[in-house]
Amino acid sequence: SQQGEEDPQALSIQEGENATMNCSYKTSINNLQWYRQNSGRGLVHLILIRSNEREKHSGRLRVTLDTSKKSSSLLITASRAADTASYFCATRGGQGAQKLVFGQGTRLTINP
Amino acid sequence: EAGVAQSPRYKIIEKRQSVAFWCNPISGHATLYWYQQILGQGPKLLIQFQNNGVVDDSQLPKDRFSAERLKGVDSTLKIQPAKLEDSAVYLCASSLALSTDTQYFGPGTRLTVL
Repeated sequence: SQQGEEDPQALSIQEGENATMNCSYKTSINNLQWYRQNSGRGLVHLILIRSNEREKHSGRLRVTLDTSKKSSSLLITASRAADTASYFCATRGGQGAQKLVFGQGTRLTINP
Repeated sequence: EAGVAQSPRYKIIEKRQSVAFWCNPISGHATLYWYQQILGQGPKLLIQFQNNGVVDDSQLPKDRFSAERLKGVDSTLKIQPAKLEDSAVYLCASSLALSTDTQYFGPGTRLTVL
């Protein structure tokens, strides 16, 4: 079963706008990761945030984590056409749980 | 650095036939994963190896799926016999170690079962 629930399932915005995707999960986690998947290609790791962190930045990406609400958000600023892809959150469980559990993803389309 | 290699990229078979997928992880990566990704869903872990030993195969349908990593490097995933619901992309990933958080994914094999 998949732990993460992502919202929205699909998002379409204009180039240059910001895109925000949300992920909620059910059980305690060690860390939460975001991956991108372009059409016909494998997943690429974007950013990881640990359970004791609240916010993390990487280039145009900003990730927040609220463990009390069991939720995370991914913000992509100044979107580009190349950002068009599916974005997945994935959680790694607590002590002893090595498995990475993916959400169902958000399909992001950037319109030129 | 070469990435995770998978072959074939595409495979079409009829139900009840068998099929095998091959994966070559990044050199030096001890942990290897096979995921199944059904259209419109996120990847689901099927099996996880640490070197040539199985760490987690709790979601592998063992009546029809099998996987091996005999020498702790390359791995094969087999389906026998295939069902219509096995149509999916099969992704292989590797990481440096069990404790390493970042996984590196291959391009996947798209399987269509007719």
